[in-house]
Amino acid sequence: DAKTTQPPSMDCAEGRAANLPCNHSTISGNEYVYWYRQIHSQGPQYIIHGLKNNETNEMASLIITEDRKSSTLILPHATLRDTAVYYCIAEPNSGGYQKVTFGTGTKLQVIP
Amino acid sequence: GAVVSQHPSRVICKSGTSVKIECRSLDFQATTMFWYRQFPKQSLMLMATSNEGSKATYEQGVEKDKFLINHASLTLSTLTVTSAHPEDSSFYICSGGTPNTGELFFGEGSRLTVL
Repeated sequence: DAKTTQPPSMDCAEGRAANLPCNHSTISGNEYVYWYRQIHSQGPQYIIHGLKNNETNEMASLIITEDRKSSTLILPHATLRDTAVYYCIAEPNSGGYQKVTFGTGTKLQVIP
Repeated sequence: GAVVSQHPSRVICKSGTSVKIECRSLDFQATTMFWYRQFPKQSLMLMATSNEGSKATYEQGVEKDKFLINHASLTLSTLTVTSAHPEDSSFYICSGGTPNTGELFFGEGSRLTVL
């Protein structure tokens, strides 16, 4: 599995867009980029994933560079409830049967 | 999204006793589930892969005789911490996936405190 690198922490003003970067320079062709987040004392929550095209859902947008070596998770209008640790993971899509290895993630603090 | 439920959410036990944590997939069948452990201010650490109808696969450094995993049905996996000690106090989280898109769904977590 490709190693990912994320900044340890970020702040974002409430109502503004939060842009969380992730570097995955050794990602292989069959690995997807997954994003999860973990709110304090809860289990992680799936946010979004993609292979090479940009993706958007009701929670966030995922922008993957053309060379796939990095990506950005965008929360368009951050709220206080978005304060959490965000994990970027590069894993093959094996139908939910592939174990997921978590790095240290980015601790996002949304400020009122 | 799919729902994974864990029980109990919190448990306190005495040192030397055993504790069982249940993980249920409520609206999908999970032939494979994963167990994680998380210490304060640290990331999730994968403990083992639970396979329905067969033995679990443990990560390096995880004692299989201490952390007993049973996955007897497609919707239930259990983790039993045997002869628990204070150093086993942690946040235990299970997850399961669906075959459609590959994302994992996580339980709410179970916080174990061993006195």
